[in-house]
This record gives sequence, C-alpha cells and structure tokens, in this order.
Amino acid sequence: QKEVEQDPGPLSVPEGAIVSLNCTYSNSAFQYFMWYRQYSRKGPELLMYTYSSGNKEDGRFTAQVDKSSKYISLFIRDSQPSDSATYLCAMSGSFGNEKLTFGTGTRLTIIP
Amino acid sequence: DAGVTQSPTHLIKTRGQQVTLRCSPKSGHDTVSWYQQALGQGPQFIFQYYEEEERQRGNFPDRFSGHQFPNYSSELNVNALLLGDSALYLCASSLGGRGEQYFGPGTRLTVT
Repeated sequence: QKEVEQDPGPLSVPEGAIVSLNCTYSNSAFQYFMWYRQYSRKGPELLMYTYSSGNKEDGRFTAQVDKSSKYISLFIRDSQPSDSATYLCAMSGSFGNEKLTFGTGTRLTIIP
Repeated sequence: DAGVTQSPTHLIKTRGQQVTLRCSPKSGHDTVSWYQQALGQGPQFIFQYYEEEERQRGNFPDRFSGHQFPNYSSELNVNALLLGDSALYLCASSLGGRGEQYFGPGTRLTVT
C-alpha cells in the first residue's frame, strides 16, 4: 500500500464548476500537507500548504485537512481553463525539513 | 530573481552509461533536494543536500549519488543506467531545509 493515495483521474469539468481533488494517506507522522500544480513538461508549483488539521483559503482555492480520517482535499471555485494541469498532493513530517511524499497526481481539464 | 535552474533540459543515454544532471538553487537558498518523476507518477524523493552533505536519502540504489558545491549548486549522478531510470528528474531548493521547496523545470532523461 502506498503512503499517499490519489485518484489519477483524468477529471474533466466545465468552466465555472467547483472542482474537488482528494488524497488519503496512511502515515500518522505527516504534519504538513501541500498541493502542487504541474503544467505539462514543467516543474511542480506550490499552491497551498496546511499544517495539521483545518482549512486554508487563498483566492479561489481552499485546502482542507482531516487528520482523524487521514484525508485531504483541494477545492477550486469558479474553475478556469488556465487551471487545467496535474494537481499533486504532497506531505511531510515537517515543512521543508523532510522529504516530500507525493501522490500520483490528478490530471484536470477545464472545458471552456 | 532567478528561480531554480536545471541543465540539461533533455538527455538521451544508452543502458550502462553514466549521466550527470545539474541544478542551481533559487537565490538565497542553501538546501537542494532531488526527485525522480516517472511518467504518470508523482515525484519520488532521491536525496537532500545541505552544507555540502547528504542529509536524507530515499529508497534509491547506490547508483544514484550526488554532490553539493560551496555555492549551493548540486549535481545528481547516475551510474550503470537502466531503462527504468528514464524519467523527469526534478531539483527543489529551500532555505535551511525549511519552508517552501521551489522546483526547477526538470531534466528529462531517456535511456535507450
């Protein structure tokens, strides 16, 4: 069993829809939870990070962490064609001080 | 402000050969981590360098080795290349191993 599980998709939604991306994990030592966006043939770009359980909002993006269920989510409101990319969840025991453990990534396409 | 840079962009090698990939961290960063991303997968941690020493290592064989120079740039060396080493190799930098890890665009290695 992988430490981090993520539905690879692909996921296609119409422009303006709310997108929900999810990951589950098995390692209780994970304390920091991150979402990266990766465009084709580019390096991952950090979108948001959350420490422990709770919610964090940044513009159209909301990250949620439920440590009791070992479940994290990323919501994208008012989705735009420019949001089309692969979204990777990543986790670590400490922010930046340990290796990042990634999910497989979900490929998202926003249809105009 | 230059971000993380990697060279070369693409590389084609033959099985059994050796390869060296290079990374320059974001200005002001002193920690470099290397990841391997196979097609359709999330990045997997290879190792991290701080103060010119390997601080952490993932589950990769000794064929994978690295080095960090006094100017914080880093090299990843892979010996005795296998077909399975074909992947996108990503470099990420951070300050003191804390905070956000900034990723470079990657080097795409193809082993034939």
